[in-house]
Amino acid sequence: EAGVVQSPRYKIIEKKQPVAFWCNPISGHNTLYWYLQNLGQGPELLIRYENEEAVDDSQLPKDRFSAERLKGVDSTLKIQPAELGDSAVYLCASSPGGQPDTQYFGPGTRLTVL
Amino acid sequence: KQEVTQIPAALSVPEGENLVLNCSFTDSAIYNLQWFRQDPGKGLTSLLLIQSSQREQTSGRLNASLDKSSGRSTLYIAASQPGDSATYLCALDNTDKLIFGTGTRLQVFP
Repeated sequence: EAGVVQSPRYKIIEKKQPVAFWCNPISGHNTLYWYLQNLGQGPELLIRYENEEAVDDSQLPKDRFSAERLKGVDSTLKIQPAELGDSAVYLCASSPGGQPDTQYFGPGTRLTVL
Repeated sequence: KQEVTQIPAALSVPEGENLVLNCSFTDSAIYNLQWFRQDPGKGLTSLLLIQSSQREQTSGRLNASLDKSSGRSTLYIAASQPGDSATYLCALDNTDKLIFGTGTRLQVFP
């Protein structure tokens, strides 16, 4: 069974440029998460989807970040415009639901903003 | 607000040692506690999940305990091996949100 797939794995951009990350969750997993992980820190939740609905986006900086999960499968996280402080690893995870609910993480996208 | 602290931040041990990683949290109202492993450049892999009604879970050489009353969890690794070298993160699950600690970076040398 394929795990959570993310692309690209690495991205280097100039500040003020837009960038997008893509995530394909494990088949059948209705819940999808985007996390931000700064160097030396644990991941922090940005947004959680239940199918197509964003049920927790309280930590998403909505002035520059946006996300979508059309058709309740793949998801895209976008930053526009990127700032130097956005340099981090962006992790996607999915889970099947129920309790206890184990999250399965993708390899992440490492973003460097110059 | 839930705060999760992991001590030590880094640990370097010779192969074969038994070791303990610590995780403390401020709010005992949790559903589950998970321990994850993260290898450089890779995502997180769940190692053990302890439900709030449980006190410990074991998988192979790993044993995790949970004491909600004192706000602590420990991950015990027996007979450590170089392949155990990674960052270990604990995460608390309350209301469908995982709150992570900052991790313990473990190096096991031959």
